[in-house]
Amino acid sequence: AQSVAQPEDQVNVAEGNPLTVKCTYSVSGNPYLFWYVQYPNRGLQFLLKYITGDNLVKGSYGFEAEFNKSQTSFHLKKPSALVSDSALYFCAVRSSGNTGKLIFGQGTTLQVKP
Amino acid sequence: DGGITQSPKYLFRKEGQNVTLSCEQNLNHDAMYWYRQDPGQGLRLIYYSQIVNDFQKGDIAEGYSVSREKKESFPLTVTSAQKNPTAFYLCASSLVGFGSLPNYGYTFGSGTRLTVV
Repeated sequence: AQSVAQPEDQVNVAEGNPLTVKCTYSVSGNPYLFWYVQYPNRGLQFLLKYITGDNLVKGSYGFEAEFNKSQTSFHLKKPSALVSDSALYFCAVRSSGNTGKLIFGQGTTLQVKP
Repeated sequence: DGGITQSPKYLFRKEGQNVTLSCEQNLNHDAMYWYRQDPGQGLRLIYYSQIVNDFQKGDIAEGYSVSREKKESFPLTVTSAQKNPTAFYLCASSLVGFGSLPNYGYTFGSGTRLTVV
């Protein structure tokens, strides 16, 4: 079965420190992996995506993600957190086949404190 | 500007009532999706459509219905059969085959919050 797991409900980090939001996946075939961010009462915004190639993917707002095939992980990272990065983050994987469906993790709340 | 619009932003439903959530996009996307968001449960797929006049059930389709009469529109009806409809509903759209396109994913609307009163 295809699935995405975000093992942490909440991540707390001080402003200026590096942050990591974890994601592991299970999918048949080569994965297409995504990170989205959601601010309160809003839709999700696309941050970045892994298709193939370089294991380090750079995205919007200074975020990047590292793809690790052996660990089936796709952790989101940022070298220096901002208070404005506080939001709900979702990892997703595209379902196999041609349906275009995305399977989302349960989300991780990132809290950046001044 | 191209985008995806959901309305209304807030919706209140009485017991036994059907309600319809609107989703319209002007991005010329073929595929559209409805997700339900509950706290701590992430997003769960209700229905999706890859082409006009065709749609498929997602993981939690019971108590919901959709139509896709136009490419731009994918309304969701929450029927009285849905026993726990209070949630945040998100509509999204994409190109078919977006998976292989760099820096391309779903475009989401801003959501409709449905509450049973």
